[in-house]
Amino acid sequence: TQLLEQSPQFLSIQEGENLTVYCNSSSVFSSLQWYRQEPGEGPVLLVTVVTGGEVKKLKRLTFQFGDARKDSSLHITAAQPGDTGLYLCAGAQGGSEKLVFGKGTKLTVNP
Amino acid sequence: NAGVMQNPRHLVRRRGQEARLRCSPMKGHSHVYWYRQLPEEGLKFMVYLQKENIIDESGMPKERFSAEFPKEGPSILRIQQVVRGDSAAYFCASSPIGTDRDTQYFGPGTRLTVL
Repeated sequence: TQLLEQSPQFLSIQEGENLTVYCNSSSVFSSLQWYRQEPGEGPVLLVTVVTGGEVKKLKRLTFQFGDARKDSSLHITAAQPGDTGLYLCAGAQGGSEKLVFGKGTKLTVNP
Repeated sequence: NAGVMQNPRHLVRRRGQEARLRCSPMKGHSHVYWYRQLPEEGLKFMVYLQKENIIDESGMPKERFSAEFPKEGPSILRIQQVVRGDSAAYFCASSPIGTDRDTQYFGPGTRLTVL
């Protein structure tokens, strides 16, 4: 069983559209990170959220951590082809240093 | 990828050979983590090290795999007698000292292919 479930698994949209991807779990996390990974490269950190209900914005990206710290969402406004990539969520559980990863959402933004 | 260095980027080995993967953490970071990414699967934690100490190796296979982070030099992930199932991308991450250890910065990875 996957501790962190990401949905959708694949998403293909046109430039200019908005989208939301989700990261869900039945477990509580002390913090949650979102990464973007491009083919042949390592994950690049986008944001870390630590407080239940927290909302962080990074230009056109909005990240939310659920009140119960079990889930998170990433919303992209006016998507651009440069947003194409694999979006990964990863959580840390209290007392452990290791990150648990979801399988990712593969986003394609068509021009 | 914020300065975490990994080498080599690509490594090809025949079955039975040894693979050595190296990782230099970001400047000022003393915590190193190794993850493995198999095709069509997410990243899986392998081991967490600090200088000269293995803190958590709960994700390491029991045989053939070992890791170290010496006082001087890079962290090394060593795979002895490689098999085809070891083919994967291996990523190193580092985090700073202190309470921000949840935030990990990843290197570009080493892609291991076992023939």
